[in-house]
Amino acid sequence: DIQMTQSPSSLSASVGDRVTITCRASQSISSYLNWYQQKPGKAPKLLIYAASSLQSGVPSRFSGSGSGTDFTLTISSLQPEDFATYYCQQSYSSPRTFGQGTKLEIK
Amino acid sequence: QVQLQESGPGLVKPSQTLSLTCTVSGGSISSGGYYWSWIRQHPGKGLEWIGYIYYSGSTYYNPSLKSRVTISVDTSKNQFSLKLSSVTAADTAVYYCAREGSGSEYFHHWGQGTLVTVSS
Repeated sequence: DIQMTQSPSSLSASVGDRVTITCRASQSISSYLNWYQQKPGKAPKLLIYAASSLQSGVPSRFSGSGSGTDFTLTISSLQPEDFATYYCQQSYSSPRTFGQGTKLEIK
Repeated sequence: QVQLQESGPGLVKPSQTLSLTCTVSGGSISSGGYYWSWIRQHPGKGLEWIGYIYYSGSTYYNPSLKSRVTISVDTSKNQFSLKLSSVTAADTAVYYCAREGSGSEYFHHWGQGTLVTVSS
């Protein structure tokens, strides 16, 4: 199985901050990396697919980059509705695996 | 717009079999082109992929659960189902069904999730 490791596990930030979350794969996954946002009691929501493609309807302040084993999710200017937990997920091979999550909290 | 909805018992006794169904609306499972997955989330924890089925019936299960999991599809009802046998308290989780595209390998559509508690 491909292990996905996110850092940090939690992050405190303020509205307007620029935030970066990192995801590392245990082996190369090319660009088969997706990012999801999850709010309490809700299903995850797709934000970024194929490492850097913005899902339709997702605000442009979200962006993704990387390939191979190292990836980042950046939120350029945090908005109140962005405080949530973020997960990366690899779709290079099965079983599909997720990172452990990064909880983004209000400072 | 495709929608997925999980259904099934919210309480299952230890050693019994957990059974859930995902009903798909707004699209046909039998049209192909998609993999239909089950994913679970233990309380307060991360996401664990259980497995998927294609409309043809071909499946792939997470090796960590493979001995206890069966995923099946009923194209006539536009549903797919999960059975997890010999459950323990460690199987208490929110269970989601989700759709992944063939060639679009990401989970774009999710059900709202259903909490299954394993307890006597």
